[in-house]
Parts: sequence; C-alpha cells; structure tokens
Amino acid sequence: GQQLNQSPQSMFIQEGEDVSMNCTSSSIFNTWLWYKQDPGEGPVLLIALYKAGELTSNGRLTAQFGITRKDSFLNISASIPSDVGIYFCAGAADRGSTLGRLYFGRGTQLTVWP
Amino acid sequence: ETGVTQSPTHLIKTRGQQVTLRCSSQSGHNTVSWYQQALGQGPQFIFQYYREEENGRGNFPPRFSGLQFPNYSSELNVNALELDDSALYLCASSLGRGGTDTQYFGPGTRLTVL
Repeated sequence: GQQLNQSPQSMFIQEGEDVSMNCTSSSIFNTWLWYKQDPGEGPVLLIALYKAGELTSNGRLTAQFGITRKDSFLNISASIPSDVGIYFCAGAADRGSTLGRLYFGRGTQLTVWP
Repeated sequence: ETGVTQSPTHLIKTRGQQVTLRCSSQSGHNTVSWYQQALGQGPQFIFQYYREEENGRGNFPPRFSGLQFPNYSSELNVNALELDDSALYLCASSLGRGGTDTQYFGPGTRLTVL
C-alpha cells in the first residue's frame, strides 16, 4: 500500500513560535488533508487541498499541496498552548480500487511550552 | 446538526471473542468509512460503505466485516479477536465516496483485547 512519511515525529516549541511539518508520499495523491487529534478524540479536519500547487490558510494555519502531488506541508504561526496535539497528514488517490480511502502519516506530536 | 457518533466508547474483550462496534453518520451523509488506529500510529483504512454496499477494503482479514443500514448508520464486526486487534476504531462519514468528499470522524471506540 501507499506509505506516507510524515516529519518530524515530535516537536517541542515555545508559545509564540512558528511550526512547520511535512508529508511525502511514494505515489501521487489527488487530495491532501491535514487533521488534528486530541487525546481520546477522533481526528478533526483542519485544511483540505484539492489542486497541485494550492496554498490554503485557515486562521494561523497554512498548508500547501506540492507541485509533484507527492508532498504537502503545514505551517502554524504564533503557536498557542491549545495547538498541542497530534497532527496527521492524509492523502487520497481517488482512482480505481483505492477510491475513497485515506492514507495517513504516522503523525507529528506537538508540545507547546508557555 | 448531529456529528458522527460511535458506541460504545470503550470495550474490553478476550482473545477469540467477537465484537460489534456501531457508528451513526452525520445527517445527510451516505458513506461510512472505518479505520483502525493502533497506539502511536496513524489510522489504517479497513473498509468503506456507500449506500449499503462495501465500496473498497484495506489490507484486513475477512474476520473484519461490516454492514451499512438504510439510515446509513454502520456496524463493524470483528470475529475471533486477537491481541493485535487492540486499537482505537474510528468511523468517518462523508457526503460521497470520492477522495474529495471530506470525511468527518467520530470520537472512536477503544477496544482492548486481553
């Protein structure tokens, strides 16, 4: 199956700092998604990207769909304590037998110190 | 608008037993996808149901089976439980079965197999 490589695995930053994480794939995706998961909860969608080269913002979050369609990054500006959690990238190939399934990275654990 | 709900929240079973997990999709959504999330990992696709029919399956054995009902709620059944089945089971609902149809996740069911 398709593998997503997400990095870094964990980040420890101070409140107010900017954060950057990225995801690469061995295969092309038609959709890239970024989710956040808090302990004991399901993933919550942060940003969805549908077009190569697309740059989309959601408040302090900015994500880009790579030109090669094999990568994406997420930036968080001016981090705050409630940004703590696990961030997952996910991709959808949307063709043939893989229609509708999401492939997830292993997650980036973000810790924000006050 | 009610979001995706799952029951039960937690479940403890022993090896060899069978389990049924339930998911109610978000209002208006006709597609339900199930994922298994092992500790420290990203969610792994199990299968998807679209209008009561299986619409794709991940790399899981046949003892993982499912159903979707006319109201689009869904069940995940796992027979002959193994220790490695211990995980958070997530369901996600969407308006359609394509990769561009955003999947909204429920809070999950934490299954422990002893």
